[in-house]
Amino acid sequence: NAGVTQTPKFQVLKTGQSMTLQCAQDMNHNSMYWYRQDPGMGLRLIYYSASEGTTDKGEVPNGYNVSRLNKREFSLRLESAAPSQTSVYFCAGQGALGYGYTFGSGTRLTVV
Amino acid sequence: QQQVKQSPQSLIVQKGGISIINCAYENTAFDYFPWYQQFPGKGPALLIAIRPDVSEKKEGRFTISFNKSAKQFSLHIMDSQPGDSATYFCAADIYNQGGKLIFGQGTELSVKP
Repeated sequence: NAGVTQTPKFQVLKTGQSMTLQCAQDMNHNSMYWYRQDPGMGLRLIYYSASEGTTDKGEVPNGYNVSRLNKREFSLRLESAAPSQTSVYFCAGQGALGYGYTFGSGTRLTVV
Repeated sequence: QQQVKQSPQSLIVQKGGISIINCAYENTAFDYFPWYQQFPGKGPALLIAIRPDVSEKKEGRFTISFNKSAKQFSLHIMDSQPGDSATYFCAADIYNQGGKLIFGQGTELSVKP
């Protein structure tokens, strides 16, 4: 099925460990986004990529890095995980400007 | 800085009633206002959106009302059903500017049978 696929769905990390959250879309979206969702905070933009080869910081980029590997894939890396990064992470894609986002089903990350 | 403020945080409505969720924004450059619906364990999905050239947009039981002078917009769900129970997010963006949607805090809606 066409859409945005995130892996893994669940992950538990120890403080200081690193990991990469994967996102792939098959909707030919130009723009891709990483958000984190925390209770009472809504969704906050971490990084985004307006097109292949470009990335920009969002509202809460500290502690994260991203790679737009190609048009389909946009990964989020935590170099040294901290408990404050415990959250649900969503990847999203957007085709044409002004159209809605298509979100993946999320990655629930716990850092202990 | 919270650019989009959403209320209430939670809402309980009886089946058949009207659910109303409100949002206020600060940045007058925003000109695209979508609402997203999220079911547990799923990602948000676009429900309905409005641009400020109209004051109201209706799609089925869902209506957005927009007040540009007050910098407020709201979602009305008519004849609310238990299947509408979900978390709703308002958002704002600058249309055609390589979107960086700013989301409200979310409203958890529960429709009781």
